[in-house]
Amino acid sequence: DTGVSQDPRHKITKRGQNVTFRCDPISEHNRLYWYRQTLGQGPEFLTYFQNEAQLEKSRLLSDRFSAERPKGSFSTLEIQRTEQGDSAMYLCASSPDTFEAFFGQGTRLTVV
Amino acid sequence: GENVEQHPSTLSVQEGDSAVIKCTYSDSASNYFPWYKQELGKRPQLIIDIRSNVGEKKDQRIAVTLNKTAKHFSLHITETQPEDSAVYFCAAWDAGKSTFGDGTTLTVKP
Repeated sequence: DTGVSQDPRHKITKRGQNVTFRCDPISEHNRLYWYRQTLGQGPEFLTYFQNEAQLEKSRLLSDRFSAERPKGSFSTLEIQRTEQGDSAMYLCASSPDTFEAFFGQGTRLTVV
Repeated sequence: GENVEQHPSTLSVQEGDSAVIKCTYSDSASNYFPWYKQELGKRPQLIIDIRSNVGEKKDQRIAVTLNKTAKHFSLHITETQPEDSAVYFCAAWDAGKSTFGDGTTLTVKP
């Protein structure tokens, strides 16, 4: 499968715990995006990278969220001190430039 | 920031009819407008897109139109089929930052 890959597909965690998700973009896609999607809503932009540089971060993103793309390939999204409101689908997408972003299957986070 | 409004939220058509979904955006800096189809439990799939220097684009039964002056764009699906049933999202892109609409649930009745 040469599409965007996300791991894990599902994560259940207790409130207050830290979680980390991984995204592997399509090979040679230099742009990588993170989104959050809740039921009945469209994807909500969180942040994006051009190669290893994080170029934009949503003002909606609290300091508990951090993302990295250390070598310009895969990326990680960490949520510290999880809250029940963090329960959502976390989607990653990649694109070769500004256009044509392709999504991964997402990581469904449940905070109990 | 950018605001994208999408209408209608639900749309039901008979197989073979046409379906139209409309979106408006607020930020004139947005220059790329993709449409995604999302089936239940699956990832959003890019079905068609349009750049700000183009007014219309067509791909078989799907077309998108863009009116930059009015800041709105629309998705047109002709000869709808039951497999077109899904949630459709529009988005407005400015560089790498994107804003999505809240989606339209399309139901195509056989």
